[in-house]
Amino acid sequence: AQTVTQSQPEMSVQEAETVTLSCTYDTSESDYYLFWYKQPPSRQMILVIRQEAYKQQNATENRFSVNFQKAAKSFSLKISDSQLGDAAMYFCAYLPPLVFGKGTRLSVIA
Amino acid sequence: ETGVTQSPTHLIKTRGQQVTLRCSSQSGHNTVSWYQQALGQGPQFIFQYYREEENGRGNFPPRFSGLQFPNYSSELNVNALELDDSALYLCASSLGPNTEAFFGQGTRLTVV
Repeated sequence: AQTVTQSQPEMSVQEAETVTLSCTYDTSESDYYLFWYKQPPSRQMILVIRQEAYKQQNATENRFSVNFQKAAKSFSLKISDSQLGDAAMYFCAYLPPLVFGKGTRLSVIA
Repeated sequence: ETGVTQSPTHLIKTRGQQVTLRCSSQSGHNTVSWYQQALGQGPQFIFQYYREEENGRGNFPPRFSGLQFPNYSSELNVNALELDDSALYLCASSLGPNTEAFFGQGTRLTVV
């Protein structure tokens, strides 16, 4: 079964600085998707970024980018120019099936 | 285009009771998945419905059951509620079984 591991229960970053959240996963499949979801106190899971395993190029969405290392089964999220609104739980997820890590709580310090 | 909506937003039930949670999928989506998220944990997969048929199930007992309707909305039913069933229940819809999921705001269930 696929597993997703987030080894950082909590992280903090100064406003305007850069932070990297770590994620590793385990699978024997070659074709899959990886996601980072953000869950603010409002509870709704918001998709931040996605990566198709067959693509070598790392995905980027504005201030959010990933470092996808397929051989190492690593999928980290980099947040640049951190903003107060980035404070939330961040979940790394693998599909299919959709399996989540335990999450990393990100605090942003003004 | 409407997003995924869940009802109710909060619910308090007594141990042993039964509960039904509802989810309206995003327009055009034929797949609905349900997740249980305990406090401080990541969501755990309960089951998925694709075109009204169960299409996968996580490690949850049979007292967790579901339905998907012809309009692709869905229900999650939990019988014989236990205190450990207290959690946030998330519904997600997608264009297909193995495609990107879009989540509702969840239903917070408290069992007392």
